[in-house]
Amino acid sequence: DAGVIQSPRHEVTEMGQEVTLRCKPISGHDYLFWYRQTMMRGLELLIYFNNNVPIDDSGMPEDRFSAKMPNASFSTLKIQPSEPRDSAVYFCASRTGIDEQYFGPGTRLTVT
Amino acid sequence: GENVEQHPSTLSVQEGDSAVIKCTYSDSASNYFPWYKQELGKRPQLIIDIRSNVGEKKDQRIAVTLNKTAKHFSLHITETQPEDSAVYFCAAEYGNKLVFGAGTILRVKS
Repeated sequence: DAGVIQSPRHEVTEMGQEVTLRCKPISGHDYLFWYRQTMMRGLELLIYFNNNVPIDDSGMPEDRFSAKMPNASFSTLKIQPSEPRDSAVYFCASRTGIDEQYFGPGTRLTVT
Repeated sequence: GENVEQHPSTLSVQEGDSAVIKCTYSDSASNYFPWYKQELGKRPQLIIDIRSNVGEKKDQRIAVTLNKTAKHFSLHITETQPEDSAVYFCAAEYGNKLVFGAGTILRVKS
């Protein structure tokens, strides 16, 4: 298996623009997690899905952030409009049941 | 609430020495405690994990201990090598999600 796949790997955008991050979990994994990592706040869980259903979105910072999982092999995290404080590395991770959680390579987002 | 405290925030050791990182968690219902290593610019990768039915687990130079009564767990790295230099994160499972500690920057000096 190729592991968790994320795209793009790097994104530079201007404040106010819409940003869409994409994730393909490992096949067969029924949990998908979106994290944000910054120096100041560490690894924060934004939202997670089980069987494509959002379970806990309490970590989503505000209404500018939204996430979807239309099927078992694809999820998106959207920021609209983006702000400079959204600059961070965004990780997607997946797992099944109580097994090990695997992280994707991350998307480094820079909002100018 | 869901909280994981990790200490120290930075740790410098001489090559060949041991390194110990400690974490505490708040929910006695937590049963799964993984440790992740993150090298600069890379993703976090699982290095070892422990479940609440055991008190210690070893994998070569790495070991993890768990004290459920005190709600703390520790990572032990023996015979450290320069390639062990990285950021290490502990985590505790709350429900179906992992809550991570703030991380420890480990520097191994050769």
